[in-house]
Amino acid sequence: DVKVTQSSRYLVKRTGEKVFLECVQDMDHENMFWYRQDPGLGLRLIYFSYDVKMKEKGDIPEGYSVSREKKERFSLILESASTNQTSMYLCASSLLTGIGYTFGSGTRLTVV
Amino acid sequence: AQTVTQSQPEMSVQEAETVTLSCTYDTSESDYYLFWYKQPPSRQMILVIRQEAYKQQNATENRFSVNFQKAAKSFSLKISDSQLGDAAMYFCAYNAGGTYKYIFGTGTRLKVLA
Repeated sequence: DVKVTQSSRYLVKRTGEKVFLECVQDMDHENMFWYRQDPGLGLRLIYFSYDVKMKEKGDIPEGYSVSREKKERFSLILESASTNQTSMYLCASSLLTGIGYTFGSGTRLTVV
Repeated sequence: AQTVTQSQPEMSVQEAETVTLSCTYDTSESDYYLFWYKQPPSRQMILVIRQEAYKQQNATENRFSVNFQKAAKSFSLKISDSQLGDAAMYFCAYNAGGTYKYIFGTGTRLKVLA
C-alpha cells in the first residue's frame, strides 16, 4: 500500500525553537506539498516541490522554509517557531497534476 | 483568483439516508479538475471522487456521486445510504490543468446519526 509518512503525529515546541517536520513518500512521486490546516480556513499551501532541490512558494510561505535533498523526503522547517504557527500540518504527494494528492496523517504542532 | 466555497460548515444525516454537500468555485480556466476529499477523525485525507471539467458525465464511486454543473460552477457531493463511517470533514478542492497547486474549501463536517 502506497504511503506518505509524517514522522510525528503530535509535537510541542517552544517559541523561538527551530522546528523540523519530516515527510517521506514511497511512491516515487515527483511532486510534494506542505499544507497548513486551520479551522474555518481549510488547507493553505505553504510550499511545494516538483523535483529534487526544486521548491516553490505557496500562499503562506512566511516563517517557513523547505528542503528536498532526496526525491522521497520533503522537510518543512520553521526557522523560529511562533505561537501563530500552532496548527495542523499536512504533507501530500502526487505523480502528476490533476490526478489527486496522497496525504500523510498530519502533524499537530503546538508552539508554547 | 480561483476560489472554492463550501457554505455549509456542518451537516447531519440519519443513517441510511441521503445527504448532499455543496461546493461552488470560481475560475476563468476551461481545463481543470475537481475533487472531494474525506478527512475522518484519524486525520488521513482520503480522495473520495474526482471530476474532469471537460467530461459532462458526473463521476460516481459506489455510494458517492457528484452533480457537476459547469456553467453554474457548482460541484456537489451526494452520499447515498449514509453509514456511520461516513462521518468526517469533507473538503472540496480545485486544480487548474497543468498546475501543481490545489485550492481547498473550508470544509463541511458531516455527522451521521444512528
